[in-house]
Amino acid sequence: QKEVEQDPGPLSVPEGAIVSLNCTYSNSAFQYFMWYRQYSRKGPELLMYTYSSGNKEDGRFTAQVDKSSKYISLFIRDSQPSDSATYLCAMRRTGNQFYFGTGTSLTVIP
Amino acid sequence: NAGVTQTPKFRILKIGQSMTLQCTQDMNHNYMYWYRQDPGMGLKLIYYSVGAGITDKGEVPNGYNVSRSTTEDFPLRLELAAPSQTSVYFCATLSGGAGFEQFFGPGTRLTVL
Repeated sequence: QKEVEQDPGPLSVPEGAIVSLNCTYSNSAFQYFMWYRQYSRKGPELLMYTYSSGNKEDGRFTAQVDKSSKYISLFIRDSQPSDSATYLCAMRRTGNQFYFGTGTSLTVIP
Repeated sequence: NAGVTQTPKFRILKIGQSMTLQCTQDMNHNYMYWYRQDPGMGLKLIYYSVGAGITDKGEVPNGYNVSRSTTEDFPLRLELAAPSQTSVYFCATLSGGAGFEQFFGPGTRLTVL
């Protein structure tokens, strides 16, 4: 079983839609939860991070962590064509390694 | 500041050839990482370093070697290239052990034929 599972998509939505991206994980030792955005042929960039269970909001983006279910989500409100990218979840427990999901490809159609 | 730079951007190798992928950072970050990204497979950790002179294996180290003689540079060496090493390679940095934001370079696209 992979430590981090992510639906690869692809996901295609119309402009203005609400997008939900999800990851599950198997190791309860994960403490830090991150979402990276990766545009085509570019390196990933950190979009949001959370430490504890609950919600964290930043503009149109909301990151949600449910440690009891080992489930994290990223919600994008009022999606824009510029949001078209691959979204990777990432996690870290104690130690120096990060564990990434496989990424979900998102296309927002104008 | 350039951040994290990687060279070359693209490279085609023949089976059995060797090469070094360069990674340089100007952020004075202690931690550096090498990942490979294959289609639909996410990022797999090859090697990482927590400071000059210290390196450690990640999930997929076979066929690769690294060294860290300075804070700024973290080259990745491929010996005897194989088609299975065809991938996009990313270098990343982290400011310190308690950090969570990795800064990635633009990547090197490597094809082994």
